[in-house]
Amino acid sequence: QVQLVQSGAEVKRPGASVEVSCEASGHRFSGYYIHWFRQAPGQGLEWMGWINPASGATYFAQSLQDRVTLTRDTSISTAYMELRSLRSDDTAIYFCAIAPPTDVGVANWFDPWGQGTPVTVSS
Amino acid sequence: QSALTQPASVSGSPGQSITISCTGTRSDVGDWEDVSWYQQYPGKAPKLLIYDVTNRPSGVSDRFSGSKSGITASLTISGLQAEDEAEYFCCSYSDTNTPYVFGLGTKVTVL
Repeated sequence: QVQLVQSGAEVKRPGASVEVSCEASGHRFSGYYIHWFRQAPGQGLEWMGWINPASGATYFAQSLQDRVTLTRDTSISTAYMELRSLRSDDTAIYFCAIAPPTDVGVANWFDPWGQGTPVTVSS
Repeated sequence: QSALTQPASVSGSPGQSITISCTGTRSDVGDWEDVSWYQQYPGKAPKLLIYDVTNRPSGVSDRFSGSKSGITASLTISGLQAEDEAEYFCCSYSDTNTPYVFGLGTKVTVL
């Protein structure tokens, strides 16, 4: 069974950086795009970007592309999301999720999801 | 990015059917068959219910069904049960500079 396990909660000061990890198991790591999302308190989901674990290629939401980096370590089936220059409105739960391959390319839906990593930005 | 429009809340009695709407634009829901729906309990990760507008993943109850007309997608929950009380989000592929847009979520209450 495919499973994603994320790193634990983080508390950061404004201006700092945070890195969240997402360890995958139960599938061929390089075969599935990994997407990142965040959900601010009481808000909907916001898509942040994806990484193709096979090639390392990435694509980001325009609003975040200057502050976010996505990487992966295929040797340990783990993807990473780094967000820099943190602000209070970056306080959110951060999720990773996979998009499986389909007959016509890569799916535009996400299943399963990691359990979420709360990130709090506060002075 | 512009969020998809969902009602903030929908309620129904056990056994009833309810429908949650998700209205977008011609850049997302209207032009793409890439609408998905997710169920989320408080403090939990989202769970995929419907993908590609109408398809249900293995293991998801057939009480959940999806459809689309024009720029509006819909999720119908039939035979409402207490366990269906949760938040529901729609998502669509978009051909704008942000490829995935979400609704703000609909809180389903079972009366």
